[in-house]
Amino acid sequence: NAGVTQTPKFQVLKTGQSMTLQCAQDMNHNSMYWYRQDPGMGLRLIYYSASEGTTDKGEVPNGYNVSRLNKREFSLRLESAAPSQTSVYFCASSDVWNTDTQYFGPGTRLTVL
Amino acid sequence: QQQVKQSPQSLIVQKGGIPIINCAYENTAFDYFPWYQQFPGKGPALLIAIRPDVSEKKEGRFTISFNKSAKQFSLHIMDSQPGDSATYFCAASRTGSARQLTFGSGTQLTVLP
Repeated sequence: NAGVTQTPKFQVLKTGQSMTLQCAQDMNHNSMYWYRQDPGMGLRLIYYSASEGTTDKGEVPNGYNVSRLNKREFSLRLESAAPSQTSVYFCASSDVWNTDTQYFGPGTRLTVL
Repeated sequence: QQQVKQSPQSLIVQKGGIPIINCAYENTAFDYFPWYQQFPGKGPALLIAIRPDVSEKKEGRFTISFNKSAKQFSLHIMDSQPGDSATYFCAASRTGSARQLTFGSGTQLTVLP
């Protein structure tokens, strides 16, 4: 099992450009999450999907959109990137029978110039 | 608005020492308090977690102490090793179909050989 995978690992964008961060999990988990990690601020929840077909806003959703493509995949889209979105983005997933434990991917380091 | 406050920001101990990391929360609806460990370039991984019906939980060299009345919890690492050097995050969440974790700001721990 690969667990939670994220692509790309690194990305540099110019202000105003768009991009989609991809996340997939092979653990048959129901719930998936997107977090951003900034120095001194821990991880903050952007969006989550409790189950296939549903998505909800987290703490910092502005400037982002998400798509739960199927049970395995949950993508995060930046429509018009801003320097404030420079961050490390983590995807996570959890099982419906054990929603407590979230399994994180390796992260995508995004720089917006 | 940071609902989970973590201290200290960084911590250096000698091998064999007992580092202690503290967290305080505000939302009394929180009912699950995990600690995550993160190594450089990796995603966070669940280390240990506690619920408010117990005051202490121990797993190997890691212990969580929980004080419900003070709304505080802490992580103790017994007989710390250089391999424990990592960033530690406390978090909190409330019951739901998907756990919306609120993270503390993180503590960078260095264990000197």
